[in-house]
Parts: sequence; C-alpha cells; structure tokens
Amino acid sequence: QVQLVQSGAEVKKPGASVKVSCKPSGYTFTTYGISWVRQAPGQGLEWMGWIDTYSGNTNYAQNLQGRLTMTTDTSTSTAYMELRNLRSDDTAVYYCARSPGVQLFPPFYYYLDVWGKGTTVSVSS
Amino acid sequence: SYELTQPPSVSVSPGQTARITCSGDALPNLYAYWYQQKPGQAPVMVIFRDSERPSGIPERFSGSRSGTTVTLTISGVQAEDEADYFCQSADNFGTYVFGTGTKVTVL
Repeated sequence: QVQLVQSGAEVKKPGASVKVSCKPSGYTFTTYGISWVRQAPGQGLEWMGWIDTYSGNTNYAQNLQGRLTMTTDTSTSTAYMELRNLRSDDTAVYYCARSPGVQLFPPFYYYLDVWGKGTTVSVSS
Repeated sequence: SYELTQPPSVSVSPGQTARITCSGDALPNLYAYWYQQKPGQAPVMVIFRDSERPSGIPERFSGSRSGTTVTLTISGVQAEDEADYFCQSADNFGTYVFGTGTKVTVL
C-alpha cells in the first residue's frame, strides 16, 4: 500500500535550519507531487508548499517564501523540505502528503490523499 | 489566498447526524476535500471532489455542496468519529487552503 515515511524529530535553535525527508513507497515516485503541511501545537493545518517530483517545479506559500526550499532526489525517490532561519513559531509537526503533479488542463484537483506520520520540529533557545 | 470558515465545534449524540459546514467565497471555483484528524495522528482524507468517498471510508461519511458552502455529513455518528475535521480547497494559482477546523464531540 502507499506509505510516506518521514525522518525523525528535530530540535533546533533559533536561526538554524532544518531539513526533513519524506520517502514514499507503493507507487511510482514521479507520477505524483508532494505537498508539505505543518501544524503548530493546538492549531490548525497550514499548507507550506508543493513540489512536482517529475519536473522539480515548486509552489510555496507566500508567507514562507525566502526561507523554504523543497527538493527531490529521484535516484532515491525521496522528497525534502528545508526551512531556514528558524523561529520559535516554526515549532510544529511537519507532514508530507501525496498531491497531484503538474496539471495542464482543467478540471484541476488539489488534494492530499496519503500523509506521512509527521515530523516534530522544536525550535527553542 | 482566501479563507475557509468552519464552526469551531459540533456536538452530537451517538447515532445522530453531524453536519459540518465550510464556507468560502472562492469555493465554487474548485473542488473541496475533507480530512479527519484524531489526536496524535496524521490527517486522513474522508471526502474528495466535494462528495466522493475514498476506499475504506465508511458510508456514513458524505459530502455536498451548495454555492459557496460545502458540508460534511456524518450519519449515525459513532464514538470513533470524535476528531477534528478540516475542509480544504485551493485558489486558481494552486495554493492550497485549509478550513479553520471543527472539533466533533460525541456526547
């Protein structure tokens, strides 16, 4: 079955960077995109961005542009999310989720059909 | 991007029907999706493309749309349905948007 396995918990100091990995299995990696979603403690879901695993095209949430980079390694079928210049309010559980890849013609579908279990990132001095 | 508004909480007795609304001005443009999240777990998609149910999701979960509002209905609520529920859609630039979330409590 389809699974997304994420890397382990991270503890970082303000100003540092974190890089979280996401390794899907159960389907061909480059036939779907990967989205990243985070959830601060006790809060709702915040979409961070999306990467098309075939082309490397990305779409980032406006509030994270400049600090966020999403990449993939097709040789290992792994997606990565790097967030730089961490602040205390970046403390959250970070999820990767399978999304559609590039869509050229309508209707357009924007969904997250399979999720990883999440990676806790704690930012504290 | 735009906002999707949900009621913060819904309470329902076992066997009754829970309805969770999600409203947003741009909703008519694209499909809506619903996710269930239990404490300490990742979200799970329970409805896609407004009203379709993924494989393995019980039939008591259904979705509907009317104008700028989509609704998740849980018929014959069971104790295991107690969870947070989030709607989600997107804008025309492919930016995903989540609803504010609704906590469903089974009395």
